Amino acid sequence: KQEVTQIPAALSVPEGENLVLNCSFTDSAIYNLQWFRQDPGKGLTSLLLIQSSQREQTSGRLNASLDKSSGRSTLYIAASQPGDSATYLCAARGVSNNNDMRFGAGTRLTVKP
Amino acid sequence: GAGVSQSPSNKVTEKGKDVELRCDPISGHTALYWYRQSLGQGLEFLIYFQGNSAPDKSGLPSDRFSAERTGGSVSTLTIQRTQQEDSAVYLCASSRPYNEQFFGPGTRLTVL
Repeated sequence: KQEVTQIPAALSVPEGENLVLNCSFTDSAIYNLQWFRQDPGKGLTSLLLIQSSQREQTSGRLNASLDKSSGRSTLYIAASQPGDSATYLCAARGVSNNNDMRFGAGTRLTVKP
Repeated sequence: GAGVSQSPSNKVTEKGKDVELRCDPISGHTALYWYRQSLGQGLEFLIYFQGNSAPDKSGLPSDRFSAERTGGSVSTLTIQRTQQEDSAVYLCASSRPYNEQFFGPGTRLTVL
């Protein structure tokens, strides 16, 4: 059974710093991996989707990488801003069926002005 | 285009009452998911619909929970005889098969 782990559970950084959020998964047979952000009391907003055949995806200041063989994905945030403060979740989708999506517990990021 | 919408945004109910939560997926998305998120917890899968296939109900916590999807579009999650432990945010998501999931804003359910 796929297990997805996110470390650290919480992270606090000063504004302007570059940072990396980590996501690890136990079963490398994934179809894709998706990163989300969740603001307090809100739903999840999709940030990046990486297909299993891809190594990375970029959107603005965000860059997500995928290393299937080691069971890891990272989300890199450049030049962090207070507006980046949120909980970031990763989810790995298995190959067996479209519903086999496992979420990590998230990393709660605080960017201090 | 419109995203996933959910209603109501907030629902306060008394223990023992039934509640209905609604989800409108993105047009053209054949896959629809319901999740539950309790305070400070991760996402708990509840039920999944894919086209006309039989839904995957493996995540429903008890027989008080049921869901339907009419016409392959709108879905309703029903909780009968609500209990205080049902209090949570209920999130709906939709996607094309094996593609990016898009979430609605959620319904915050409080059972008094």
